[in-house]
Amino acid sequence: RKEVEQDPGPFNVPEGATVAFNCTYSNSASQSFFWYRQDCRKEPKLLMSVYSSGNEDGRFTAQLNRASQYISLLIRDSKLSDSATYLCAEKGGYNKLIFGAGTRLAVHP
Amino acid sequence: ETGVTQSPTHLIKTRGQQVTLRCSSQSGHNTVSWYQQALGQGPQFIFQYYREEENGRGNFPPRFSGLQFPNYSSELNVNALELDDSALYLCASSPGSQETQYFGPGTRLLVL
Repeated sequence: RKEVEQDPGPFNVPEGATVAFNCTYSNSASQSFFWYRQDCRKEPKLLMSVYSSGNEDGRFTAQLNRASQYISLLIRDSKLSDSATYLCAEKGGYNKLIFGAGTRLAVHP
Repeated sequence: ETGVTQSPTHLIKTRGQQVTLRCSSQSGHNTVSWYQQALGQGPQFIFQYYREEENGRGNFPPRFSGLQFPNYSSELNVNALELDDSALYLCASSPGSQETQYFGPGTRLLVL
């Protein structure tokens, strides 16, 4: 079983829609999680950290569910510019980031 | 922009050759981590350098090696290139070994 797993998608949604992605992790002792956004052929960019209490930044909300070992990302009022691959990451030993394979989001007019 | 730079942006090599990739960390950052991202996959951790010492290594063979210099810039060296080494190589810098990582634009390596 992979350490971090994501649904590869693609998620095809219309502008204005609300979309949610989940990401499961296998290490119950993990403490820190992140969502990164990656545009085609570009580097990952930090979208937000995921805290136990949840984290909200504008249209984006991240949640952590320790009991079921998953993190989620909710995007409200989707924009065309939200089209990208969303990578979740768990912080492992030596501060290494353990990434999932990413979920592709395509927002259409 | 993160202030992390990488060179070259693209590279084509043949099997068996050696390659050196370079990374300049963001000002004030003393930690550099290297990742390999194959097509359709998430980045995979290669190793981390903290204050010029290797500070952790992922599941990569010894032909993947690195250096960090006193100015905290870093090099990734790959010997005896294989076709499967074709990937996007990303470096990420952070202000400390446990801090948030910020990625550079990557070097796209193609091995023929």
